[in-house]
Amino acid sequence: SQKIEQNSEALNIQEGKTATLTCNYTNYSPAYLQWYRQDPGRGPVFLLLIRENEKEKRKERLKVTFDTTLKQSLFHITASQPADSATYLCALPPNQAGTALIFGKGTTLSVSS
Amino acid sequence: NAGVMQNPRHLVRRRGQEARLRCSPMKGHSHVYWYRQLPEEGLKFMVYLQKENIIDESGMPKERFSAEFPKEGPSILRIQQVVRGDSAAYFCASSPGTAATNEKLFFGSGTQLSVL
Repeated sequence: SQKIEQNSEALNIQEGKTATLTCNYTNYSPAYLQWYRQDPGRGPVFLLLIRENEKEKRKERLKVTFDTTLKQSLFHITASQPADSATYLCALPPNQAGTALIFGKGTTLSVSS
Repeated sequence: NAGVMQNPRHLVRRRGQEARLRCSPMKGHSHVYWYRQLPEEGLKFMVYLQKENIIDESGMPKERFSAEFPKEGPSILRIQQVVRGDSAAYFCASSPGTAATNEKLFFGSGTQLSVL
């Protein structure tokens, strides 16, 4: 079955640095991949979608890459700020047998000032 | 334009009682998904519904759990005879289309269920 892996350990960086989060998947060739942000006690909020034929996508300080050969997506936050501290989830579409997005466990990012 | 509304935000039940969680999707959205999240765990899919129809309930336990999305009113996730293991955050999400059509999900703030 399809499997999604994200950095299980929290990522701690200093303000102004670039944060890089990793999402790896196996047993699957998704047509797209999505990234969400989740704050404590809140539901996830959609950030970006990248399709299999797109190598890179940008939105303000966010950049996502999608390497279908490595089966990996990288999520970058440049010039990070304390307000970027949150848990970031990657999500894949269902395989042919499914109907709903499948989420990774997420990586918790902490940006210190 | 209100987002996805879930209530209650917090629900405390004793073992054996029933829990009823409500979700009103965003206006214009006819697809509703329920997910469960445990501490240190990811979001786990439970059930996918469209108006008056359960499309996929493969992630929902066969016993004690049920879901509906009536023609009028919110979607309801019902847990009968709750046990301590049901304690979790339950999230509802809606979308105007399906995951197969690249649709992003809009999530509510969740219901935190605590079973004593």
